[in-house]
Amino acid sequence: KQEVTQIPAALSVPEGENLVLNCSFTDSAIYNLQWFRQDPGKGLTSLLLIQSSQREQTSGRLNASLDKSSGRSTLYIAASQPGDSATYLCAVKGADGLTFGKGTHLIIQP
Amino acid sequence: DTAVSQTPKYLVTQMGNDKSIKCEQNLGHDTMYWYKQDSKKFLKIMFSYNNKELIINETVPNRFSPKSPDKAHLNLHINSLELGDSAVYFCASSRTEGSYGYTFGSGTRLTVV
Repeated sequence: KQEVTQIPAALSVPEGENLVLNCSFTDSAIYNLQWFRQDPGKGLTSLLLIQSSQREQTSGRLNASLDKSSGRSTLYIAASQPGDSATYLCAVKGADGLTFGKGTHLIIQP
Repeated sequence: DTAVSQTPKYLVTQMGNDKSIKCEQNLGHDTMYWYKQDSKKFLKIMFSYNNKELIINETVPNRFSPKSPDKAHLNLHINSLELGDSAVYFCASSRTEGSYGYTFGSGTRLTVV
């Protein structure tokens, strides 16, 4: 059964810093990996989707990498802003559907 | 145009009642899902459904049942609501093909009193 772990569980950094969120998964037989953002009391917004054959995806200040063989992904946020404060969720899609990590709660201090 | 829409956004009801949450997607996806987000914010799959197969997470009580009138809709019915059912319920859709990602609705916050 797939298990997804996100480290750290919470992170607080000053505005302007670059930061990395980590995600690991136990079963490397995945179709793709998705990073989502969830604001308090809101739904899930898809940030980046990386196919199993890809190594990374970029969108604006966000860059996600995938090392399928080692079961790891990172989400890199450049030049962080207070508006980036949210919970970031990593999810992997396998034969049994989408499995989520517990998220990283990110606070960007103005 | 909202890709995956859920109604209602908020639902407050008494223990023992029966309630439904509706979900519709206009993305042409062939598979729809219900997820539950508990008080610790962890998202767990409840059901996945396409026109061929319903897959039920074994931990879901049989008081919960999905109903799909067509490919674009997957409603969630809950009978005899209990306090522990209070959570946020998310609908999502995707394609069966592995390369597709998931699109989520904005969630329904259910509070059982």
